[in-house]
Amino acid sequence: GENVEQHPSTLSVQEGDSAVIKCTYSDSASNYFPWYKQELGKRPQLIIDIRSNVGEKKDQRIAVTLNKTAKHFSLHITETQPEDSAVYFCAASAGNMLTFGGGTRLMVKP
Amino acid sequence: DAGITQSPRHKVTETGTPVTLRCHQTENHRYMYWYRQDPGHGLRLIHYSYGVKDTDKGEVSDGYSVSRSKTEDFLLTLESATSSQTSVYFCAISDTRGVDTGELFFGEGSRLTVL
Repeated sequence: GENVEQHPSTLSVQEGDSAVIKCTYSDSASNYFPWYKQELGKRPQLIIDIRSNVGEKKDQRIAVTLNKTAKHFSLHITETQPEDSAVYFCAASAGNMLTFGGGTRLMVKP
Repeated sequence: DAGITQSPRHKVTETGTPVTLRCHQTENHRYMYWYRQDPGHGLRLIHYSYGVKDTDKGEVSDGYSVSRSKTEDFLLTLESATSSQTSVYFCAISDTRGVDTGELFFGEGSRLTVL
């Protein structure tokens, strides 16, 4: 089955700096790559996703890039703000099952 | 927020006792999922359903069973709870096109502690 590795497990940045979270996946058939954000004590919520026919997607301060040849994808957050502090999960899907990475705890220091 | 409710939200039980968690949705979505969340492991799929009475195993299904007798309800049962099943359990739903084309909407989670 699919295996998704996510790095780093924790990331601390200064407010206004950029943050990058990286994921690798194992199943070359995977074609859908979402990112979820989970604030403390809350449910995970989708923040951005990308499909295999696209190399990059942006939504305001967040962007995701995908390299299918290398089987890795990344989340980029620019101009970080304290409200970006949360746990972020990447995921990959080759069908009806979504496999998640282990999560990255992002802390944005004011 | 999507109409998903989980019950109970918190439960403490003893090893060897049966436990049932309920997920109820008001969105009429076809797909429903049960995940468990543990530190360092992210969200791991236990079981999922693609319709009434249609279910399949996920990556960590041992020790768990599910049932879906109505579109709106998806039950997760631990026949004999063990301490390794202490976790936060999330139910999720997605639209009729399936998980690889749609967003997962999560419930608020159920925290289970097995002593």
